[in-house]
Amino acid sequence: AQSVTQLDSHVSVSEGTPVLLRCNYSSSYSPSLFWYVQHPNKGLQLLLKYTSAATLVKGINGFEAEFKKSETSFHLTKPSAHMSDAAEYFCVVSAEGGGSNYKLTFGKGTLLTVNP
Amino acid sequence: DAGVTQSPTHLIKTRGQQVTLRCSPKSGHDTVSWYQQALGQGPQFIFQYYEEEERQRGNFPDRFSGHQFPNYSSELNVNALLLGDSALYLCASSLVYTEAFFGQGTRLTVV
Repeated sequence: AQSVTQLDSHVSVSEGTPVLLRCNYSSSYSPSLFWYVQHPNKGLQLLLKYTSAATLVKGINGFEAEFKKSETSFHLTKPSAHMSDAAEYFCVVSAEGGGSNYKLTFGKGTLLTVNP
Repeated sequence: DAGVTQSPTHLIKTRGQQVTLRCSPKSGHDTVSWYQQALGQGPQFIFQYYEEEERQRGNFPDRFSGHQFPNYSSELNVNALLLGDSALYLCASSLVYTEAFFGQGTRLTVV
C-alpha cells in the first residue's frame, strides 16, 4: 500500500520569496511521485514527476522537487513566488511504482497563498 | 486538442436518485480513471477502465459503477445517491507510462 502526507495544509509567502511545500510518502515499492496543481474552478495540472531517474526533478513554471529515499520525502520548491502560483498543490504517489497509468494516491493538499 | 472533457459541469440531484457523468479522454488516450474529490480533500480513486473493462477499483461501494465505450469515452454511474456523494468528480485519461491528464470535473450536489 502507498500513502502521502502533506505536512502543511496552508503555506503563505510573499511575492518574490521562496516556496517550500513538504511531502512525505510511504510505498512498498519504488514509487513514482508527482506534484499536481489545482487552480480554482480548474482541473488538475501536472507540475512534475519522478520515476526513478534523476532525483532532482524540474517541472513547469520554475518548480522543482527532490526525491530523498532516506527521508521518504519529495518536497516541492520554487526560488521566487509569483502571484499566479496561488493555488492548491497535491503530492501524489502511484500504486506499485507503475507510473501514472496506475491508481494515484493523493495527499490532502497544501493551499499556497501569495501575498503582494 | 480539446484535452479531457467532462459533462455536465454542474449537477443537482435528490437523495436516492441515480446520476450519470460523462468523460471524453484526450485524443489518443485509451485509459480512463475516475476520482472523487470532497470539499477540502484530495481526490480519491474510484476506478479505472482500459479496453472497456474495469482494471482497478478503489474503496467505493457497488453503487458506483462505470463503463468504457469502444471510442474510449467513459461514464460514471452512481445509484441511490447519498448526501455524502456530493463532491467534484474528476476524470483522468492516460496511456501506459504517461502522466494522467485531468478534466475540469463535474460538481455534483445531492440535496
